[in-house]
Amino acid sequence: KAGVTQTPRYLIKTRGQQVTLSCSPISGHRSVSWYQQTPGQGLQFLFEYFSETQRNKGNFPGRFSGRQFSNSRSEMNVSTLELGDSALYLCASSLLERRTDTQYFGPGTRLTVL
Amino acid sequence: QQQVKQSPQSLIVQKGGISIINCAYENTAFDYFPWYQQFPGKGPALLIAIRPDVSEKKEGRFTISFNKSAKQFSLHIMDSQPGDSATYFCAASNLGDDKIIFGKGTRLHILP
Repeated sequence: KAGVTQTPRYLIKTRGQQVTLSCSPISGHRSVSWYQQTPGQGLQFLFEYFSETQRNKGNFPGRFSGRQFSNSRSEMNVSTLELGDSALYLCASSLLERRTDTQYFGPGTRLTVL
Repeated sequence: QQQVKQSPQSLIVQKGGISIINCAYENTAFDYFPWYQQFPGKGPALLIAIRPDVSEKKEGRFTISFNKSAKQFSLHIMDSQPGDSATYFCAASNLGDDKIIFGKGTRLHILP
């Protein structure tokens, strides 16, 4: 069974631009969560989607948004990029809706904002 | 309080030794405590997890010790191997509200 895939793996943007990241969960998984990982703050939860509905949201500004499609694939969008948005963005999928179920992480998208 | 404090930030252990990473939490509503292992260029992978109704859980060379009264839990890696060199994250969550909080991570290096 294929794992969680994220595209692109690396991305360089400039301040003020917007970016869309994509995540394909493990086949059959219906929950997708997004995390931001930085050296200073560690792993921080962004949001979770289950069956196309956002179930939970972390403490991030409204510039961070996401959505989930009927095939469970998810996208995350960051508008008006800031230098501090440079991070590794991780997507995780799980079979059940609760994030305390075993989550399987993708390799991440490394976003650099110049 | 939603923080999970993890220590040490980095750890160097000789091959065959015991690696110990500690975490402390404040929110007594947390009821699920997983540990994740992350290799460079990869996403974190669930290593082992514990719920507060038990004080210890062992899976192979990995053991979680849980002290509910002290609000602390720790990961012990017995007979540490160079392949264990990775970053380890503890986390705490509450089934009730589905929030999950991660520690800042411990970079573990096992000397060959």
